[in-house]
Amino acid sequence: DAKTTQPPSMDCAEGRAANLPCNHSTISGNEYVYWYRQIHSQGPQYIIHGLKNNETNEMASLIITEDRKSSTLILPHATLRDTAVYYCIVRPLNTGFQKLVFGTGTRLLVSP
Amino acid sequence: ETGVTQTPRHLVMGMTNKKSLKCEQHLGHNAMYWYKQSAKKPLELMFVYNFKEQTENNSVPSRFSPECPNSSHLFLHLHTLQPEDSALYLCASSQEDRPNTEAFFGQGTRLTVV
Repeated sequence: DAKTTQPPSMDCAEGRAANLPCNHSTISGNEYVYWYRQIHSQGPQYIIHGLKNNETNEMASLIITEDRKSSTLILPHATLRDTAVYYCIVRPLNTGFQKLVFGTGTRLLVSP
Repeated sequence: ETGVTQTPRHLVMGMTNKKSLKCEQHLGHNAMYWYKQSAKKPLELMFVYNFKEQTENNSVPSRFSPECPNSSHLFLHLHTLQPEDSALYLCASSQEDRPNTEAFFGQGTRLTVV
């Protein structure tokens, strides 16, 4: 399965956009990019996923490069409650979630 | 609220105690999972149940015993644990025959073994 690389930490000012990068240079054509986040001591929360097109929902936008080797999660107006660890995960299309590998993620700190 | 409920939220137990963690989902999912998250470590998959059958056991010590009586409920029975078993235990569920979908996690049980 493709592995992902994320910066260990990022800072963002409240109200500004938070852009979290993820590198998945070995991704194959049948693998989705998933994003989860984990607020301190809580269960991971699903944010968004995509295959090759950009996606947007009420929480965030996901921008996937044309070659699919990297992606960016965008939180358009970060709030203090967005402080969390963000995980970028690659999931093959026809495998179960047990194949999801949660790495160490990016710790996003949103400050006033 | 994710539709996956774990109880209790916090548990303190002695090394000789027997306790159980409970997970319940009302999402109609057919797969449920137990994960362990130790301090400052990534999530570790422990057990997977598909259609109530255990399909994965990631070399978990026998002092952890899962049970899945039906597709909505999952238990983790604990006995003679060690202090290093103190961690956040997370339950998740998903619909395994639908590829373009996601897994939902409960809020976890914070376990402390004394």
